[in-house]
Amino acid sequence: DVKVTQSSRYLVKRTGEKVFLECVQDMDHENMFWYRQDPGLGLRLIYFSYDVKMKEKGDIPEGYSVSREKKERFSLILESASTNQTSMYLCASTQSSFGYTFGSGTRLTVV
Amino acid sequence: GQQLNQSPQSMFIQEGEDVSMNCTSSSIFNTWLWYKQDPGEGPVLLIALYKAGELTSNGRLTAQFGITRKDSFLNISASIPSDVGIYFCAGRNYGGSQGNLIFGKGTKLSVKP
Repeated sequence: DVKVTQSSRYLVKRTGEKVFLECVQDMDHENMFWYRQDPGLGLRLIYFSYDVKMKEKGDIPEGYSVSREKKERFSLILESASTNQTSMYLCASTQSSFGYTFGSGTRLTVV
Repeated sequence: GQQLNQSPQSMFIQEGEDVSMNCTSSSIFNTWLWYKQDPGEGPVLLIALYKAGELTSNGRLTAQFGITRKDSFLNISASIPSDVGIYFCAGRNYGGSQGNLIFGKGTKLSVKP
């Protein structure tokens, strides 16, 4: 089975901190995605990547950046965390036209 | 961004009851997928549909790809407590951003023993 691993299940960070959320997949998938999930708003796409060093903005990229230096790893960066970035963050990967495989999520609290 | 209309938003049912939820879109989709998210976990794929009219089952779950390609439904028969979670529909429209999935907002299912 494809595995998508997010490095932290829970994180608590202070306002203004730089935050790194890491995601690793083990099946050589080309496509990787970062979503945030908030009650009543569903899954909102932040950034995605179709290849190493490639990145595309999703629907809500403001306040975030990403890095994909290796095919298996896709990092989400909060340059200066704010309280409105408190959320559940989900990473996903896929190969071509198949469904996404999600990680278990990182619940980030910014205080 | 584009979103699917998923309904209902939430359901409170008794164990043993059947459940039905659906998704509609204003545009045509080539793929419909249904995911389940357990509390505190990431979504897991339940059923994938690739052809208009396709009806697919996975245990007590049945999903259909609408003939118009603009809708899909998911049925759960004889619900049990472990069915609790959020169910998401997702569609792929190749007119969109390189075939990315578009997600509904989810249906939150609660099952009373």
